[in-house]
Amino acid sequence: AQSVAQPEDQVNVAEGNPLTVKCTYSVSGNPYLFWYVQYPNRGLQFLLKYITGDNLVKGSYGFEAEFNKSQTSFHLKKPSALVSDSALYFCAVKSGGSYIPTFGRGTSLIVHP
Amino acid sequence: GAGVSQSPSNKVTEKGKDVELRCDPISGHTALYWYRQSLGQGLEFLIYFQGNSAPDKSGLPSDRFSAERTGGSVSTLTIQRTQQEDSAVYLCASSSGVAMGNEQFFGPGTRLTVL
Repeated sequence: AQSVAQPEDQVNVAEGNPLTVKCTYSVSGNPYLFWYVQYPNRGLQFLLKYITGDNLVKGSYGFEAEFNKSQTSFHLKKPSALVSDSALYFCAVKSGGSYIPTFGRGTSLIVHP
Repeated sequence: GAGVSQSPSNKVTEKGKDVELRCDPISGHTALYWYRQSLGQGLEFLIYFQGNSAPDKSGLPSDRFSAERTGGSVSTLTIQRTQQEDSAVYLCASSSGVAMGNEQFFGPGTRLTVL
């Protein structure tokens, strides 16, 4: 079984400040973790993924995420937020041979000017 | 290169009518997924196709929903006797191969409104 939780429905941050969008997961076996972003009236767009190797993963648009096995977390981060980062962010996990990812409910990121 | 495309982008129908939603995946992608996204909700998995294997239909909410994939490429999601609760955005995604680490590429979605 696999599940993922995004504990915050909404995150507010000022432009230029660092941002964190949280994700925790539960799996049997090794996790494959993904972050996607959805802009208004658009489909989801892949940001980054963790498969194996370095715990810090770098992705598109300056985003990065840190895989923490002991805390079963994969939080999305960016050192300096932009207003254009405002969007809906989804965390997803695959594990145990399942090719169907489980998505979190999404976190709305709002970056204020 | 073209991404995943879906048509129509918007569909308004009356309760009880049948609708067909189309997805064109990225050329060469063997995996295709359908999801439903209701307002303010996350993604609800509907069905998964992989190559010529039998599809995983475990997410279909009722027997009014069906999908097919012809020639390992284009897919059609059909909803029969639509209900108001079927109103949502229907997203299609494709990915290459069967590796667990493959990310998905999503289409822009079809917004279905059932009156």
